[in-house]
Amino acid sequence: KAGVTQTPRYLIKTRGQQVTLSCSPISGHRSVSWYQQTPGQGLQFLFEYFSETQRNKGNFPGRFSGRQFSNSRSEMNVSTLELGDSALYLCASSLASGPFYEQYFGPGTRLTVT
Amino acid sequence: KNQVEQSPQSLIILEGKNCTLQCNYTVSPFSNLRWYKQDTGRGPVSLTIMTFSENTKSNGRYTATLDADTKQSSLHITASQLSDSASYICVVIVLSGGSYIPTFGRGTSLIVHP
Repeated sequence: KAGVTQTPRYLIKTRGQQVTLSCSPISGHRSVSWYQQTPGQGLQFLFEYFSETQRNKGNFPGRFSGRQFSNSRSEMNVSTLELGDSALYLCASSLASGPFYEQYFGPGTRLTVT
Repeated sequence: KNQVEQSPQSLIILEGKNCTLQCNYTVSPFSNLRWYKQDTGRGPVSLTIMTFSENTKSNGRYTATLDADTKQSSLHITASQLSDSASYICVVIVLSGGSYIPTFGRGTSLIVHP
């Protein structure tokens, strides 16, 4: 079974631009979560989507948004990029939403904002 | 102060030796505690998931312990291998405002030398 895939793997954007990242979960998985990883803050939870609805949300500004499609694929959007948004963005999929489901992470998208 | 503290920040051991990584947390109420292994350039991989009622959980050479009273967890690695070189991340799933929020430690970087 194929793992979680994320596209693109690397991205360079300019301050003020917006960016959209994509995540395809493991087949049969209906929950997708997004995370930001930086050297300074470590891993931080952004949000989780299940059945096209946002179920949980971390403490990030409204510039960070996401959505999930009927095939469970998910996209994350960051508007008005700031230098501090440079990070590795990871998505993880699980069978369903809930604190006890195993999460499987993708390889991440490395975003650099200049 | 980070709500999930891991120690040591980094650790170097010789192949074949055992080691123990620590995780102390202040967040509550918590649903479960997880340990992840993250190889350089890759997404985290789950090692163990423990609820507050579990004291010990093993996964091969990895054994996690949890003391919910003192809010401490440890990850013991037995007979280390070169492939154990990675970052080990402790995650506490916190119930907050009706949502389950993963709260991450900064990780312990483990290097295993031959």
